[in-house]
Amino acid sequence: DQQVKQNSPSLSVQEGRISILNCDYTNSMFDYFLWYKKYPAEGPTFLISISSIKDKNEDGRFTVFLNKSAKHLSLHIVPSQPGDSAVYFCAASDFGNEKLTFGTGTRLTIIP
Amino acid sequence: NAGVTQTPKFRVLKTGQSMTLLCAQDMNHEYMYWYRQDPGMGLRLIHYSVGEGTTAKGEVPDGYNVSRLKKQNFLLGLESAAPSQTSVYFCASRKGGARYNEQFFGPGTRLTVL
Repeated sequence: DQQVKQNSPSLSVQEGRISILNCDYTNSMFDYFLWYKKYPAEGPTFLISISSIKDKNEDGRFTVFLNKSAKHLSLHIVPSQPGDSAVYFCAASDFGNEKLTFGTGTRLTIIP
Repeated sequence: NAGVTQTPKFRVLKTGQSMTLLCAQDMNHEYMYWYRQDPGMGLRLIHYSVGEGTTAKGEVPDGYNVSRLKKQNFLLGLESAAPSQTSVYFCASRKGGARYNEQFFGPGTRLTVL
């Protein structure tokens, strides 16, 4: 049972445009969400997070939106740059749980 | 400050052989994790530890054992390797206390079981 789903395995976006990566979850107990970025042959690196008490969190070019009623979150990257080409993983945890549940990832390719 | 390091980077095993993957962190983190990444499956938690001397099972623990004898090290063992254990293995660590501390990942170990 995949509790965190990233339904788009890949996404291509023109440089300078907006990239929108989506993530859906089924466990209503999840209350903290993170996005990780992964380059080939490297470990994932933390990008941005959001608590369920918020519906938006911004960090430079990256913004995460959370819609609790729809159990959906999205990562917006504006403007997209070639260095953003990577695999992006969505992850979630619930209160009292020390573990993260990861989605299957979306490969983002920025076209120059 | 090396962060999280993993040894070895690559390994090829024959079915039935055993091996140990070593994870080390120099950030004095309390929590440590072992994941495997397979195509189309994302990152799946194998085992984790919330402190020295303690371990717990994750989502896919079968066929693996772990030990956390020192705070900075987390070992993952395969007693009798199977082809289904061919994967990329990632170790991660995070600071304890507040639960919203992100996990820091190592560079991964690519394991092939023939």
